[in-house]
Amino acid sequence: EPEVTQTPSHQVTQMGQEVILRCVPISNHLYFYWYRQILGQKVEFLVSFYNNEISEKSEIFDDQFSVERPDGSNFTLKIRSTKLEDSAMYFCASKPGQGLPYEQYFGPGTRLTVT
Amino acid sequence: AQSVTQLDSQVPVFEEAPVELRCNYSSSVSVYLFWYVQYPNQGLQLLLKYLSGSTLVKGINGFEAEFNKSQTSFHLRKPSVHISDTAEYFCAVSLSGGYNKLIFGAGTRLAVHP
Repeated sequence: EPEVTQTPSHQVTQMGQEVILRCVPISNHLYFYWYRQILGQKVEFLVSFYNNEISEKSEIFDDQFSVERPDGSNFTLKIRSTKLEDSAMYFCASKPGQGLPYEQYFGPGTRLTVT
Repeated sequence: AQSVTQLDSQVPVFEEAPVELRCNYSSSVSVYLFWYVQYPNQGLQLLLKYLSGSTLVKGINGFEAEFNKSQTSFHLRKPSVHISDTAEYFCAVSLSGGYNKLIFGAGTRLAVHP
């Protein structure tokens, strides 16, 4: 069964450094999402992406964040200058299209630790 | 705006006992409802979903949920749990319309004891 994959599984970085989290969505999917889960808290929406542009973003997704689909298979989340509070599990998700099925398919996550 | 409340942060239960995990939502427009499960060190896996139609929906691993519009609830149930059901369970909503973001509840940690 096709799966969403994410790399790396764990990333440790120093405050102020740039990080890129990578995701490979399911191949025929058209909608892509990033969510994050700070330890012990709820899963929060960051951004959705469709047709090579952002369709919606949350208040969390400020100018330090950007997303890209550079080559038709990867979907990346870049954090330009990491802060301690960016430490979280980041989940990528994808969805086939506007019709059925409506559920999003999630990757295993990347744990980002900012020191 | 939509919101989701999971009333129990932790639910301890003995193996083979029934369990109910509670979820209430708030929305002024119609929504789709989902339950996801997160096993330790893994991603989110869909258990079941309600889009329309029959209010009782069945999912994987013997779970079911009932949509109650008047009470704005979508409680998850299983008649007999196994040790392997120990996990975090998340209720989520999205606006009907297919591509919208998921809004999650805080999660309920189900701990099944022998």
